[in-house]
Amino acid sequence: EAGVTQFPSHSVIEKGQTVTLRCDPISGHDNLYWYRRVMGKEIKFLLHFVKESKQDESGMPNNRFLAERTGGTYSTLKVQPAELEDSGVYFCASSTMPGTEAFFGQGTRLTVV
Amino acid sequence: QQQVKQSPQSLIVQKGGIPIINCAYENTAFDYFPWYQQFPGKGPALLIAIRPDVSEKKEGRFTISFNKSAKQFSLHIMDSQPGDSATYFCAAPPYGNNDMRFGAGTRLTVKP
Repeated sequence: EAGVTQFPSHSVIEKGQTVTLRCDPISGHDNLYWYRRVMGKEIKFLLHFVKESKQDESGMPNNRFLAERTGGTYSTLKVQPAELEDSGVYFCASSTMPGTEAFFGQGTRLTVV
Repeated sequence: QQQVKQSPQSLIVQKGGIPIINCAYENTAFDYFPWYQQFPGKGPALLIAIRPDVSEKKEGRFTISFNKSAKQFSLHIMDSQPGDSATYFCAAPPYGNNDMRFGAGTRLTVKP
């Protein structure tokens, strides 16, 4: 069974550009989460999808971040325009149900220069 | 937003030692306390988890101790090995939810 996969693994972009991160959850997992870790800090919750619906987006930093999960399968997280403070590792995770084990992808390391 | 405080930030032990990592939480709604292990270039992977109806859980060399009244839980690694060198995160999600609140992580190094 394939795990959670994220693309790209690394991205370096200039301030003001747009970047789109993709997450493919484990097949059949209705719950999909986005997290971000800034260097040396805790892993912070960004967003929770249940199928295609946003269950909780209280962690999204601002309106430069847009997450979608059309069709309830893969998800994208777009940052437009990117700022220096957006740099970090973005993790996606999926689970069958809330409160059960969440499986993480390997992360996308975003560097904004 | 941080509701889970983890310490220490880094830890170095000799092979065979027993590193202990501590976490304290604030929100009493938390009822599931997982520990995640992360190797460089990989995502966090669930290591062991406990629910507050027990005070201790063991899985192999890994033990979680849970103190509900103090709102603290800790990870103990018995007979630590160099292969245990990784970053460890404690986490606590609100009930019925999985928007987990993570600790800041502990970078563990086990020297041969």
